[in-house]
Amino acid sequence: DVKVTQSSRYLVKRTGEKVFLECVQDMDHENMFWYRQDPGLGLRLIYFSYDVKMKEKGDIPEGYSVSREKKERFSLILESASTNQTSMYLCASRLGDVREKLFFGSGTQLSVL
Amino acid sequence: GESVGLHLPTLSVQEGDNSIINCAYSNSASDYFIWYKQESGKGPQFIIDIRSNMDKRQGQRVTVLLNKTVKHLSLQIAATQPGDSAVYFCAESYYNQGGKLIFGQGTELSVKP
Repeated sequence: DVKVTQSSRYLVKRTGEKVFLECVQDMDHENMFWYRQDPGLGLRLIYFSYDVKMKEKGDIPEGYSVSREKKERFSLILESASTNQTSMYLCASRLGDVREKLFFGSGTQLSVL
Repeated sequence: GESVGLHLPTLSVQEGDNSIINCAYSNSASDYFIWYKQESGKGPQFIIDIRSNMDKRQGQRVTVLLNKTVKHLSLQIAATQPGDSAVYFCAESYYNQGGKLIFGQGTELSVKP
């Protein structure tokens, strides 16, 4: 079975901290994505990557950066966490183009105090 | 602008009844649609997809209907079970959009025993 693993289920950080959210997939997928999920707003795309060392901005990239040094790992970085970044973060991966299934991790609930 | 929305934020059905979850989309160029199920504490799971050259697709206990004339998508669940209780998201995409999925806000389905 396909597996997308997010390193933390819950995280609590302080304003101004640098935060790393890690995601690993075991399916040799080309494409990986970071979404945030907020009540009433659904899932919004932060960044995605279609290959190692490649990245593209999504709809809400401000305040975030990403790293993809290896094919299986896609990291989301909050350079200086703020309270409005408190959210559920979902990582996803997909083999090829949009016509392939998108597989999600279980999510990381981040609270910034 | 483009958006994917759901008509109802919550839906309550009796166990054994059929459920219908609706979704409206605004981009007539969208050519691929997906339904996801998200159970509490988990990431979204793929249920079923449909391409714009089809108007109906069936899976196990689920059917997706696509009406391109009115830009409407629905998910029908037959003989709804308690395990079907979850939030259901529709998502749309079109190939020239670079593979991004646009998600609706979700409908919460509650199944009463």
